Amino acid sequence: KAGVTQTPRYLIKTRGQQVTLSCSPISGHRSVSWYQQTPGQGLQFLFEYFSETQRNKGNFPGRFSGRQFSNSRSEMNVSTLELGDSALYLCASRGQLNTEAFFGQGTRLTVV
Amino acid sequence: KQEVTQIPAALSVPEGENLVLNCSFTDSAIYNLQWFRQDPGKGLTSLLLIQSSQREQTSGRLNASLDKSSGRSTLYIAASQPGDSATYLCAVKGSWGKLQFGAGTQVVVTP
Repeated sequence: KAGVTQTPRYLIKTRGQQVTLSCSPISGHRSVSWYQQTPGQGLQFLFEYFSETQRNKGNFPGRFSGRQFSNSRSEMNVSTLELGDSALYLCASRGQLNTEAFFGQGTRLTVV
Repeated sequence: KQEVTQIPAALSVPEGENLVLNCSFTDSAIYNLQWFRQDPGKGLTSLLLIQSSQREQTSGRLNASLDKSSGRSTLYIAASQPGDSATYLCAVKGSWGKLQFGAGTQVVVTP
């Protein structure tokens, strides 16, 4: 059974650009959530989608947005990139909202 | 607001010694608690999930306990091996839906 797949694995972008990250959950899982990991702040919750609906949102500016498609795949978009957006972005999938979360390998975003 | 603390921040033990990692949380209204392992630059690997109604979970050399009333969980790793070297993170899931993570314990097991 395939795990959670995140693409791309690495990205280098320039300040002011925008970026889209993709996450394919485990087959049959309907919940996808996104986290940002930095050395200074640790793991911080961005948002969670369940059956194409955003269920919860973390404390991030509106430049961070996401969506979920009917096949449960999710995308996260960051517009007007800032140096501080450099981080490892992790996606997690669950079968139901309170079950075990499984994470992907992450996308390493570097903003220069 | 839920806060999750992991002590110690770093730990170094000789191979064969048992590991004891601690996690505390301030709000006992949780659905579950999950322990993860993270290797440098990699994603998170789920180790154990304990539902709020459970007191412990075991998987191989790993055992995790949960005391919801005191806001504590402990992860025990028996007979540590160099391959156990990693950062271990605990996370609690509350009614607000998200996982709240601790800062992690960095473990080094020396041969």
